[in-house]
Amino acid sequence: SQQGEEDPQALSIQEGENATMNCSYKTSINNLQWYRQNSGRGLVHLILIRSNEREKHSGRLRVTLDTSKKSSSLLITASRAADTASYFCATDARTGANNLFFGTGTRLTVIP
Amino acid sequence: NAGVTQTPKFQVLKTGQSMTLQCAQDMNHEYMSWYRQDPGMGLRLIHYSVGAGITDQGEVPNGYNVSRSTTEDFPLRLLSAAPSQTSVYFCASRRGGATFNSNQPQHFGDGTRLSIL
Repeated sequence: SQQGEEDPQALSIQEGENATMNCSYKTSINNLQWYRQNSGRGLVHLILIRSNEREKHSGRLRVTLDTSKKSSSLLITASRAADTASYFCATDARTGANNLFFGTGTRLTVIP
Repeated sequence: NAGVTQTPKFQVLKTGQSMTLQCAQDMNHEYMSWYRQDPGMGLRLIHYSVGAGITDQGEVPNGYNVSRSTTEDFPLRLLSAAPSQTSVYFCASRRGGATFNSNQPQHFGDGTRLSIL
C-alpha cells in the first residue's frame, strides 16, 4: 500500500498552544497535501507543498517536507477550539493519473 | 456553486442488495474519484476517472462498479452488498485529467454513510 501514516493518532491540547502532526510516506512524490475533516463532513484541502519545497506557510499553518526522510509535518500555531478536527496527509502516486493516497489521520482536540 | 454533491447521505441495506451512490460536481473537473473511509484505515481509493468515458481501478475496487458518461456525474454501484462494505463513502473531484500534474486540490463531498446488515 502507498498509504502514509500520521503521528500521533490523537492529540489533545489547550487553546492557544501549538499543535504538531507528522506524516510519513513510502514512495517518491510530486507533492504532499494536508486536509482537514470535521466530524461528519468531507475533507477540506488546507495546503500543498511540492517535492522541491522544504517549507510553506498559510496563515497559522506551517508545513515542512523532508523528501530524504519521506516525512512531513503540519504545525498549527495559536490553536483555537474551532481547529478541533482530523487532519490527513495525502501523497500522489507520481504515475498515471497521479491519484492521491491518504494517511490514517491525526485526531486533534483543542480544549477551550 | 454546490461543489461536490453526494446522495443519499445515509443508507441501510441488506446483504445481497444492490444500490447506486450518486456523485455530481458542478466545477467542470475532469478527474473524479471514490474513496471509502473506515476507522483506523484512513481513506482508500476505490475507482477513479480522468474524464468522461474513462474509468480505472484504485486500491480496493472489488465489489464496486463505476461509469462516467458525463463530466458531471460519477456514480458508484454496489453489485451485491456485503457487511464488509459498511463504510463511509466519499466522492472527490479535481481539475486536470490523465496528463495533468496532481498539484491541484481535491474537492470532497460530505459522504454517504452506508450500513449493510
